[in-house]
Amino acid sequence: DSGVTQTPKHLITATGQRVTLRCSPRSGDLSVYWYQQSLDQGLQFLIQYYNGEERAKGNILERFSAQQFPDLHSELNLSSLELGDSALYFCASSVAGGDQPQHFGDGTRLSIL
Amino acid sequence: AQTVTQSQPEMSVQEAETVTLSCTYDTSESNYYLFWYKQPPSRQMILVIRQEAYKQQNATENRFSVNFQKAAKSFSLKISDSQLGDTAMYFCAFMGNNQGGKLIFGQGTELSVKP
Repeated sequence: DSGVTQTPKHLITATGQRVTLRCSPRSGDLSVYWYQQSLDQGLQFLIQYYNGEERAKGNILERFSAQQFPDLHSELNLSSLELGDSALYFCASSVAGGDQPQHFGDGTRLSIL
Repeated sequence: AQTVTQSQPEMSVQEAETVTLSCTYDTSESNYYLFWYKQPPSRQMILVIRQEAYKQQNATENRFSVNFQKAAKSFSLKISDSQLGDTAMYFCAFMGNNQGGKLIFGQGTELSVKP
């Protein structure tokens, strides 16, 4: 158990819909990262937050947004969903940013029908 | 831009034998970090080992060790005494020193340990 909690584990929805994925980091970790794992794109970094502020951004679509709340949990919002958004979405956390090892949650499997 | 390449999509090894997974990367940075993550069929991402580029000594964690060749930009993972539980997808990952913690992953190598 990594200590990172992601909910829900599975999500099935339709094209055009909006979903919210939730992540609770390990106790004491200030940084949260979101990654997308798909068959065609592999594992890709989406975005990082540190203590409530956006720290780094990767190949995140404009339809996607994220935030980190004062209690340090984070949410990834995906809107106007397309079939290609079907993927496993991971949240990871670390004590700080930079070189600290990242510990991953079990992921949320998103299926778009 | 940094890239990570794993040239072996699939590998297999007999139980108790040793196997080496290859990884090369490309970067213009002089200080960075390299990682190997394991993803078993359960889909969890588990950190296996970490290497700082400024350290010449190769990292070791029990049966797992790396061969870090900075000049060649190579970072291979050696698994000794392979166990059935080592069956998983293995990802090599790069983190630049000034990238805020962004991990760049290779395509992965699927390792099967056979009894």
